[in-house]
Amino acid sequence: GAVVSQHPSWVICKSGTSVKIECRSLDFQATTMFWYRQFPKQSLMLMATSNEGSKATYEQGVEKDKFLINHASLTLSTLTVTSAHPEDSSFYICSARVLAGLAYEQYFGPGTRLTVT
Amino acid sequence: KQEVTQIPAALSVPEGENLVLNCSFTDSAIYNLQWFRQDPGKGLTSLLLIQSSQREQTSGRLNASLDKSSGRSTLYIAASQPGDSATYLCAVMFSGGYNKLIFGAGTRLAVHP
Repeated sequence: GAVVSQHPSWVICKSGTSVKIECRSLDFQATTMFWYRQFPKQSLMLMATSNEGSKATYEQGVEKDKFLINHASLTLSTLTVTSAHPEDSSFYICSARVLAGLAYEQYFGPGTRLTVT
Repeated sequence: KQEVTQIPAALSVPEGENLVLNCSFTDSAIYNLQWFRQDPGKGLTSLLLIQSSQREQTSGRLNASLDKSSGRSTLYIAASQPGDSATYLCAVMFSGGYNKLIFGAGTRLAVHP
């Protein structure tokens, strides 16, 4: 099946620094990728939709200047958390979507755990 | 607003019981519905994907049904085992816009020996 990877799997950073998380579709091309955030014991909340070659679409309440998304190729999307603060500590999961015949299928990465100290 | 709700939020059962997890969604215009499993601190494992044209899908001890008109899906787990303990997430890909996959809050399942 289709595989989505994320790097790094976990990262610890100091408050005020920026962190970049990569999401790659390994064996397929994805024109659309999604970024989700999950706080402890909560569900996944969609942050933004990323389309290759265009600006990301952010969900209501998500600061686009803080969470920079770049989808420069059909296999890579990056999420940069700028000026990170402890409240940004969370589990970030990316997803890549493909059109299989007439149906959409969405594949998820293993997640990146961010801890801001 | 497109929302997904899961009931119950938590469930604790003895081994061997048959279980039903419920998922409801607010908009019947959907592409598909998917059930996932998530172990603590881990990513998602896809269990079953039901396209909007389908009524159910089965995999081993798992069976998921979809009733678009009523906005409901159920995940049936037969003969539960301790290894089934995890959080089960229902996610709906709604039509329109960017066809976003929206998640429910999940059902935390504990199966004890």
